[in-house]
Amino acid sequence: AQTVTQSQPEMSVQEAETVTLSCTYDTSESDYYLFWYKQPPSRQMILVIRQEAYKQQNATENRFSVNFQKAAKSFSLKISDSQLGDAAMYFCAYRSRSGGGADGLTFGKGTHLIIQP
Amino acid sequence: KAGVTQTPRYLIKTRGQQVTLSCSPISGHRSVSWYQQTPGQGLQFLFEYFSETQRNKGNFPGRFSGRQFSNSRSEMNVSTLELGDSALYLCASKAEPHGANVLTFGAGSRLTVL
Repeated sequence: AQTVTQSQPEMSVQEAETVTLSCTYDTSESDYYLFWYKQPPSRQMILVIRQEAYKQQNATENRFSVNFQKAAKSFSLKISDSQLGDAAMYFCAYRSRSGGGADGLTFGKGTHLIIQP
Repeated sequence: KAGVTQTPRYLIKTRGQQVTLSCSPISGHRSVSWYQQTPGQGLQFLFEYFSETQRNKGNFPGRFSGRQFSNSRSEMNVSTLELGDSALYLCASKAEPHGANVLTFGAGSRLTVL
């Protein structure tokens, strides 16, 4: 079974600075998807960024980018120019490509990101 | 386009009772999945439905069940409630049941079992 580990329960960053959230995963598969989701205090989970394992290029969405190291099974999220609205729980998630995606997402425990004004 | 709608948003039950939660996916989305979120266990996959068929189920006891209707709306049911079933239940939908497709989550149903 796949596992996803987020080793930082909480991170704090000054507004406008850059922060990196860590995520490692364990899988025997070679083809899969990785996601970062954000859950603000309102509780609605929002997709931040997605990475397909067969793509070597790191995904980027505006101020959010990932560092995907497939051999190391690492998938970190970098948030540049942090804003107050970035404060939330961030979850790293894995999904197998096989089985038609029926296995559901495997989530890490989350990292609580605090933005200091 | 309306998002994923979950009802009720909050509910309180007592041990031994049963509960039914409802989820209306985004219009046009035919795949619905359910997740349980607790402080201790985090987010765990419950099940996924497509075209009224359960495609997969997570590691939960048989007290947890679900179904999907022809209009893609889904319900999940928990029977003989236990204190440990207190959780936020999240529903998510996507257009097709392919791994590449992104899940859109609802706001959740907060269940408290007393």
